[in-house]
Amino acid sequence: DAGVIQSPRHEVTEMGQEVTLRCKPISGHNSLFWYRQTMMRGLELLIYFNNNVPIDDSGMPEDRFSAKMPNASFSTLKIQPSEPRDSAVYFCASRLSLGGGADTQYFGPGTRLTVL
Amino acid sequence: DAKTTQPPSMDCAEGRAANLPCNHSTISGNEYVYWYRQIHSQGPQYIIHGLKNNETNEMASLIITEDRKSSTLILPHATLRDTAVYYCIVRATSGTYKYIFGTGTRLKVLA
Repeated sequence: DAGVIQSPRHEVTEMGQEVTLRCKPISGHNSLFWYRQTMMRGLELLIYFNNNVPIDDSGMPEDRFSAKMPNASFSTLKIQPSEPRDSAVYFCASRLSLGGGADTQYFGPGTRLTVL
Repeated sequence: DAKTTQPPSMDCAEGRAANLPCNHSTISGNEYVYWYRQIHSQGPQYIIHGLKNNETNEMASLIITEDRKSSTLILPHATLRDTAVYYCIVRATSGTYKYIFGTGTRLKVLA
């Protein structure tokens, strides 16, 4: 299994530009998570999908951030317009949720975003 | 969601057992304890999880106290490649089942 795939691995952009981060979850997994990691705030959950439906987006910082999951094998996190404070490592994770019991999230390698 | 408390850093000699403690005194009866680690900004890596009983896999052992208020992750023979930040997480019992990451323990394995 290839694991969770994220692209690009590194992104450098200028303030005001649109940024799109991509994630391919592990085949067969039905839940997908987007996290952001910074030195100041650590690892934070941004949004969570179950069966392609957004369930909890309470961690999305503001309207500049949006996430979609058009099908079970692809998700995007978009920032428009980007700001320097958005600089962080963004992780995608997926899991197979069977309901009620233990589950395990598997993380991708992350996208390091730098906004100048 | 139950909170976890971990020491910020620990050192361990290579080849020795590394014992990483975690306090989760407000854990509920049906909440699991998960351990992940993150090596140098890579994605967090799953290690082990448990509910009540002690657990062991090829990576580590998890010892959960009888009252479930604390746990210890044991790496039996630490290597330099085990140097990482280790996160103890209590998983939410309902709703999103989301993880709340704390600040973790930075383990440094010394040669």
